[in-house]
Amino acid sequence: GAVVSQHPSWVICKSGTSVKIECRSLDFQATTMFWYRQFPKQSLMLMATSNEGSKATYEQGVEKDKFLINHASLTLSTLTVTSAHPEDSSFYICSAILGETQYFGPGTRLLVL
Amino acid sequence: KNEVEQSPQNLTAQEGEFITINCSYSVGISALHWLQQHPGGGIVSLFMLSSGKKKHGRLIATINIQEKHSSLHITASHPRDSAVYICAVRPSGSARQLTFGSGTQLTVLP
Repeated sequence: GAVVSQHPSWVICKSGTSVKIECRSLDFQATTMFWYRQFPKQSLMLMATSNEGSKATYEQGVEKDKFLINHASLTLSTLTVTSAHPEDSSFYICSAILGETQYFGPGTRLLVL
Repeated sequence: KNEVEQSPQNLTAQEGEFITINCSYSVGISALHWLQQHPGGGIVSLFMLSSGKKKHGRLIATINIQEKHSSLHITASHPRDSAVYICAVRPSGSARQLTFGSGTQLTVLP
């Protein structure tokens, strides 16, 4: 079946640094990808919708200047957490739709010290 | 009140038991998804429903659009079924975005 990959799977960084997370659709093209964040014991929360060749659409309360999204090709979207702080520590998941099925990446666990 | 409510929040069962997880939603939807999230975090899409019933192996999902309710059943449960099961709906008019329930943590004991 279709596969969505993420890299890295986990990252530890110091406060104030920027972290880039890649999301790739491995065997299909995705004009739209979704970025979610999940805190422990909580459900997934949509952060933004990434659109190939155009600006991402951010959910209310998500700072677009802090969470930079680039969807430069039909198979790659990147999420950059700029000037990361400990409260940004979370599990970040991307997703893409093929047909009627939504495929999720394996997630990236971010820990900001 | 959340748009998507799941029950129970936690469920422990003995191997072999029949399991039911419920999902109620309060908005009009175009589709409902059942997802499985393993301890490592990876999410697998189990079903997408817009009406009726679907079956895949030991898993059965049903939906009643009029009552805004869906159930996920697992027959002959096994410890490897232990995971978080998440109900997610696509609200009508929302092109592709999903609204997620808080999940049901299932533990199947050997």
